[in-house]
Amino acid sequence: NAGVMQNPRHLVRRRGQEARLRCSPMKGHSHVYWYRQLPEEGLKFMVYLQKENIIDESGMPKERFSAEFPKEGPSILRIQQVVRGDSAAYFCASSPTGAVNTEAFFGQGTRLTVV
Amino acid sequence: GEDVEQSLFLSVREGDSSVINCTYTDSSSTYLYWYKQEPGAGLQLLTYIFSNMDMKQDQRLTVLLNKKDKHLSLRIADTQTGDSAIYFCAETGRGFKTIFGAGTRLFVKA
Repeated sequence: NAGVMQNPRHLVRRRGQEARLRCSPMKGHSHVYWYRQLPEEGLKFMVYLQKENIIDESGMPKERFSAEFPKEGPSILRIQQVVRGDSAAYFCASSPTGAVNTEAFFGQGTRLTVV
Repeated sequence: GEDVEQSLFLSVREGDSSVINCTYTDSSSTYLYWYKQEPGAGLQLLTYIFSNMDMKQDQRLTVLLNKKDKHLSLRIADTQTGDSAIYFCAETGRGFKTIFGAGTRLFVKA
């Protein structure tokens, strides 16, 4: 049973380009969470999705950021018109249910560098 | 809002015990976690504790929870150089969000 898979592991984008980060949850997991880790900081919650639905996006910047988790395929975190401040590690986690007593399993992260 | 705080750095000698401390504010915390992150790597769940427990031991790791003071600690016995990493305290309370501390950087001197 493969763990949470994120790709790419490293992504370099020029300012103004788009970044697409993918997350394939563990088999059987229908709940996905995205976190951002800025350099020298902890992880900050961005968005929680369940298949085809955004449950909570309270941690997501209002502009340029969007997330989806389609019925088929991975969850995608999309950042439009990237700026240097978007450089960070983006982690995805998945869980089988959204209940509070479920531990989420994390992927290895995608490290985005904006040049 | 919920907050989790940790000291940023800890330096110990190889063979000594390391104690990493964490405080949190969410009184509805149900699960509390310790994660390890090595340079350039993802998060590895080390251990977790339910809020109705005071202590959990797992080989070299001991987690102590003082729910009254909202204080969590991780003790690593016989610390090795391979234990050098960033250790994140995290908690899940109401709902589903896991709130992370900023991480404690553990340096182990040979």
